[in-house]
Amino acid sequence: GAGVSQSPRYKVAKRGQDVALRCDPISGHVSLFWYQQALGQGPEFLTYFQNEAQLDKSGLPSDRFFAERPEGSVSTLKIQRTQQEDSAVYLCASADWPGELFFGEGSRLTVL
Amino acid sequence: QQQVKQSPQSLIVQKGGISIINCAYENTAFDYFPWYQQFPGKGPALLIAIRPDVSEKKEGRFTISFNKSAKQFSLHIMDSQPGDSATYFCAAMRAGNNRKLIWGLGTSLAVNP
Repeated sequence: GAGVSQSPRYKVAKRGQDVALRCDPISGHVSLFWYQQALGQGPEFLTYFQNEAQLDKSGLPSDRFFAERPEGSVSTLKIQRTQQEDSAVYLCASADWPGELFFGEGSRLTVL
Repeated sequence: QQQVKQSPQSLIVQKGGISIINCAYENTAFDYFPWYQQFPGKGPALLIAIRPDVSEKKEGRFTISFNKSAKQFSLHIMDSQPGDSATYFCAAMRAGNNRKLIWGLGTSLAVNP
């Protein structure tokens, strides 16, 4: 079966541009997570959905970051007015409750 | 403040040797401690995990040792192989905290043939 799919795999944006990163979780997984991984660092929690409900957004670094999962399946992470410090790999993970988290390969964002 | 401290930052081991990576945590409320393996360009994949009610868990060549009183846990890779060359992350999670994983900074392991 298919794993967690993320797109685009690579995104280059000019500073100030808006970007949208997509995550297709494993079918049937109710839990969906977004993590940010800077180069040479461990992932940092951004936000968590259970179905369509965003239960925790405490890790979003600023109000420029917004995530949604309107139908409880596909999720989009949107970053407005990108800054150079936003450059990182954005990882999406999904899980059945209370099972293991399965990660996608990530979307690498480079802000010039 | 790093809630999960991982060491060493990098490790070189000869094929067939034992790789040992250590982690220490601060929060005694953590109750789930996974290890993830990450290859370049890939997402992390769960390797093995332990809960604090046991002191050791073994799966194949991978063993977690857990010391609750010292707030430390470690990953041992027996008979290390070149294919084990990857970055390894320890993590910790507190029950009821929306399954938010707190990660170490990672250990880059290179296994020489």
